[in-house]
Amino acid sequence: AQTVTQSQPEMSVQEAETVTLSCTYDTSESNYYLFWYKQPPSRQMILVIRQEAYKQQNATENRFSVNFQKAAKSFSLKISDSQLGDTAMYFCAFMNLWGAQKLVFGQGTRLTINP
Amino acid sequence: DAGVIQSPRHEVTEMGQEVTLRCKPISGHDYLFWYRQTMMRGLELLIYFNNNVPIDDSGMPEDRFSAKMPNASFSTLKIQPSEPRDSAVYFCASSSGDRASNTEAFFGQGTRLTVV
Repeated sequence: AQTVTQSQPEMSVQEAETVTLSCTYDTSESNYYLFWYKQPPSRQMILVIRQEAYKQQNATENRFSVNFQKAAKSFSLKISDSQLGDTAMYFCAFMNLWGAQKLVFGQGTRLTINP
Repeated sequence: DAGVIQSPRHEVTEMGQEVTLRCKPISGHDYLFWYRQTMMRGLELLIYFNNNVPIDDSGMPEDRFSAKMPNASFSTLKIQPSEPRDSAVYFCASSSGDRASNTEAFFGQGTRLTVV
């Protein structure tokens, strides 16, 4: 079974700083997807970024980018020029490419952006 | 599309009562998922459906929980009888299942259930 681990329960940075959230996972599969979801206080789960394991290039979405290290089974999220609206819980998630299309989530990291 | 719609947004009930949570997935999506979020256990998958058929219910905690999907546009999660430890936020999510182009799961706003 796949597991996802986020080792940072909480993080806090100043506005405009860069912050990196860590995620490691365990799987015997070679093809899969990895995701970062954001959950603001509104409770809505919002997809931030997605990475296909078969792609070597790291995914980027505006201020959000990932560092995907397949051999190390590591998938960190970097937020550049952080904004107050980035304050939220962030969840790393795993999904097999084939078979059961279900997400396995990490425990989450609570990120606070301070003015 | 209005997205995944869940109702109610909040539910407070007494222990022993029956609780029914409802979900309308995004039109055209053929996968539907029910997740539960608690402080202790995080986000865990309870059950998911493909084309209205339950595929994996191994996450359903016990017989008090049941889920149905009578048609492509509606699903329910029922707890009978409810217990205080069932207090959590319950999310419904749907996805298109087309892995070649879109693997994103869209989540509803969640139902916060409190059992007193």
